[in-house]
Amino acid sequence: DILMTQSPSSLSASVGDRVTISCQASQDIYNYLNWYQQKPGRAPKLLIYDVSTLETGVPSRFGGSGSGTDFTFTITSLQPEDIATYYCQQYATFPYTFGQGTKLEIK
Amino acid sequence: EVQLVESGGDLVRPGGSLRLSCVASGFTFSGHDMHWVRQGSGKRLEWVAGIGTGGDTEYADSVKGRFTVSRENAKNSLYLQLNSLTAGDTAVYYCARVNDGALDYWGQGTLVTVSA
Repeated sequence: DILMTQSPSSLSASVGDRVTISCQASQDIYNYLNWYQQKPGRAPKLLIYDVSTLETGVPSRFGGSGSGTDFTFTITSLQPEDIATYYCQQYATFPYTFGQGTKLEIK
Repeated sequence: EVQLVESGGDLVRPGGSLRLSCVASGFTFSGHDMHWVRQGSGKRLEWVAGIGTGGDTEYADSVKGRFTVSRENAKNSLYLQLNSLTAGDTAVYYCARVNDGALDYWGQGTLVTVSA
């Protein structure tokens, strides 16, 4: 199975800060990488697919980049409503696998 | 509006069985792969199983041989049969629509608790 490793596991930032989360795959997953946001008690929500394409309705402050094994998720200006846990997910091969999550908090 | 509604979660004893259902609306169900993802309390998301539009299936190693995913397009329904349950299967189970590898819509989840 492909292991997805996110860093950091938790992050505290101030409103307006630029936030970056890394996701590393244990083998080449090409561009088969998605990002999800999950708020407490809620189902995950797709934010970004295929590394960098924003799902419809997702604010432009969210972004993604990378290829192969190393990927980055960015929030250019953190907003209070962005408090959540963020997960990367690969779909290069079954079983699909998720990162362990990055919990984002407001400082 | 796309909606996915899961049901069937319950408290079950180790070794027991359960059948989860997911009813879809707002899109052409037969035209999409559908997957199940679970999440134990405080744990990461774990992909469980998926079924293609043609009925082809895939499973996580942790559930292979114990869980069975199926679909009934005429009823816009997805199912997950859970057998030989253990405490490690305790989780919220989500169904999700697949769109080119991305899980673009999720249900609200149904809780399965395995305990004596």
